[in-house]
Formats: sequence, C-alpha cells, structure tokens
Amino acid sequence: EPEVTQTPSHQVTQMGQEVILRCVPISNHLYFYWYRQILGQKVEFLVSFYNNEISEKSEIFDDQFSVERPDGSNFTLKIRSTKLEDSAMYFCASSDLRRETPTDTQYFGPGTRLTVL
Amino acid sequence: AQTVTQSQPEMSVQEAETVTLSCTYDTSESDYYLFWYKQPPSRQMILVIRQEAYKQQNATENRFSVNFQKAAKSFSLKISDSQLGDAAMYFCAYRSANTGNQFYFGTGTSLTVIP
Repeated sequence: EPEVTQTPSHQVTQMGQEVILRCVPISNHLYFYWYRQILGQKVEFLVSFYNNEISEKSEIFDDQFSVERPDGSNFTLKIRSTKLEDSAMYFCASSDLRRETPTDTQYFGPGTRLTVL
Repeated sequence: AQTVTQSQPEMSVQEAETVTLSCTYDTSESDYYLFWYKQPPSRQMILVIRQEAYKQQNATENRFSVNFQKAAKSFSLKISDSQLGDAAMYFCAYRSANTGNQFYFGTGTSLTVIP
C-alpha cells in the first residue's frame, strides 16, 4: 500500500540555522499538508498546498516557514532561522480530493523529529 | 476554530477485552468528517476509521467501531477483542466539509494492551 515518507527521521540543528524537512507524498495525491506536534501538545495544522501554491495556512506558519514542491515527487518544509520553540515532530500528509475517491482522508507520514539546540 | 478534546491521556486494556476511547469536539457546523488515527511508536499515523457527520449509522471497521452522537458532539472509538498490536497513541480528528481541508486533532490517548 502506498505510503507517505519523510526524511530525515530526526534532525538536530543549532538555533538560527536553516532546516529543510522532506516529504514524498503518495504519488497520485494532489493536496499536501504539514502539521507539527510539540511534545505533549496537540497536532497542529501548519499549511496546505495545492496546484503549486499555498491554499491554507495557520497563524503558526509565519515568514520563517516556506513550502515547496521542487519536483514531481518531493514536498519540502523550510524553516529559515530555527528557534528553540520550533522543536517538535513535523508530519507531512497528502490527500486525493478528486470526486472519484474518498475526498476527505489525509494520509500521514511517520514524522521528522526536529530538535533545536 | 474547532476544538477536539480527548480527556483520557492514557488507557489500558487486557488482551481480548474491549476498550472505549473518548473524543468530544466543538463546532457550529453541521457538515463535517471525524476520524480516528492510530500512531504506533516510531511509526506513521494510520487511519483507523472515519465517519461522515450526515450519516446516522455508526462506522465500523472489523474490530473497530465508533459511537457517534452528533447532538452531544461525541465520537468515541471502541476496540473489541484487543490485540497487542493495538497498542499505540490514538488521535481523534475533525475536518470541516465546507471550510477548508485542515484537520483539528485532539491531544491523543496512549493505549496499552496488557498480555
């Protein structure tokens, strides 16, 4: 069964550094998402992406964050200058919102644990 | 914004027994979807079951079933004949049918299955 994959599984970085988290969504999916979960807190929505542009974003997704689909398979989340409070698990998800398939379900990757020192 | 509450941070169940995980949500919308996801340790979130709010019939997937009470805004998950492989973090999630695709998650319930 197709799965969403994410790399790396764990990223450690120094405060102020840039990080890029990578995701490979399920191949025929059209919508892509990033969520994050700070330890002990809820999974929170960051951004959704469709047709090569952001379709929704939360207030968490400020100018420090950006997303990109650099090729036909990868979907990346970049944090330009990491802060201590960016330490969290970051989940990528994808969904297929065409009418022919269940339109509402998102499929999640295993997550990348980001630790900012 | 919609809120989803899971009031049980941890639950345990004896193998082969039944356990119910609670979830409540707050919304002013009438059309939405509800989900339960399972996240085993160090592995990805897997969809367990989904419910469309306009359907009165409770969703069932093998040993997993829900008790969807729309008026009470409650969406509990029942796991029957619990197995060791059911041990995981379980997340309840809400998605609007009309106002965007983002999911709203609860804080999760960690389920332990005792052999």
